[in-house]
Amino acid sequence: QSALTQPASVSGSPGQSITISCTATSSGVGGFTYVSWYQQHPGKAPKLIIFDVTNRPSGVSYRFSGSKSGNTASLTISGLQAEDEADYYCCSYISGSNLHVLFGGGTKLTVL
Amino acid sequence: EVLLVESGGALVQPGGSVRLSCAASGFTFSSYWMHWVRQSPGKGLVWVSRINRDGRGTTYADSVKGRFTISRDNAKNTLYLQMTSLRAEDTAVYYCARDQGLPDYWGQGTLVAVSS
Repeated sequence: QSALTQPASVSGSPGQSITISCTATSSGVGGFTYVSWYQQHPGKAPKLIIFDVTNRPSGVSYRFSGSKSGNTASLTISGLQAEDEADYYCCSYISGSNLHVLFGGGTKLTVL
Repeated sequence: EVLLVESGGALVQPGGSVRLSCAASGFTFSSYWMHWVRQSPGKGLVWVSRINRDGRGTTYADSVKGRFTISRDNAKNTLYLQMTSLRAEDTAVYYCARDQGLPDYWGQGTLVAVSS
C-alpha cells in the first residue's frame, strides 16, 4: 500500500523557518517525480503553493520553497508569518497504469 | 481568472444518489484533465476521480469504484460526479480541481452529507 506520510503538526515562531516532510512509504509513488504542496486555511479550499517539487505558482510568496531527497519531499516556509498558520498537504502520483493521485495526511502548522 | 464553482451538494439517505456539478470558466475547459477530491469533516484530502480531456478516460479511487461516475460536457464547460449507493463514509466536502500534472486550481467545494 502506497502512502505519503507527513508529521501531524509543526510549529514555529514568527520570523523562524520550518520544514514539513512528506515521505513516500512505497517505491510505487510515481518515482516521486511529481510532487505538489497545498495550503488550506479553515473552511477554505486548498491552494497550490508548490508544483513539480520545487516550482512556485505565480503570486505565491518566495518564502515557500520545495525540495526532494530520495523518497522524501519537503516544504520549507521561511520568515514565518501569522497568516501561514494553516494545514499543508503534499500530493503525488501512485505509479502504475491508472496513475492514482495520493495525498499526504496533512500537517497542521501553528505559528506561536 | 480561473474559476471553478461546484453545486449539487445535499443531505442524502444511505443508499441514495446525488449528482455534483462543477462549472468552469476563465480557461479552455476542454484542454484540461479534471479531478474530484473530497474531505470528510475534520479530516484530510482524499482523491476521488480523474477524467481526461475528451471524457473517454476515467480513473477512480478504490473506495468509490463502481459507485461513482465522473463525466464532463465540454460544450457546457461543466464537470460532473454521479454518486450512487451512498454510504455514511462518503460524507464530505467535494472539490473539483483542474489538472496540471496534479491538481492546481480548486473550487470552493460542495457538501454531501449521507445520513438517515
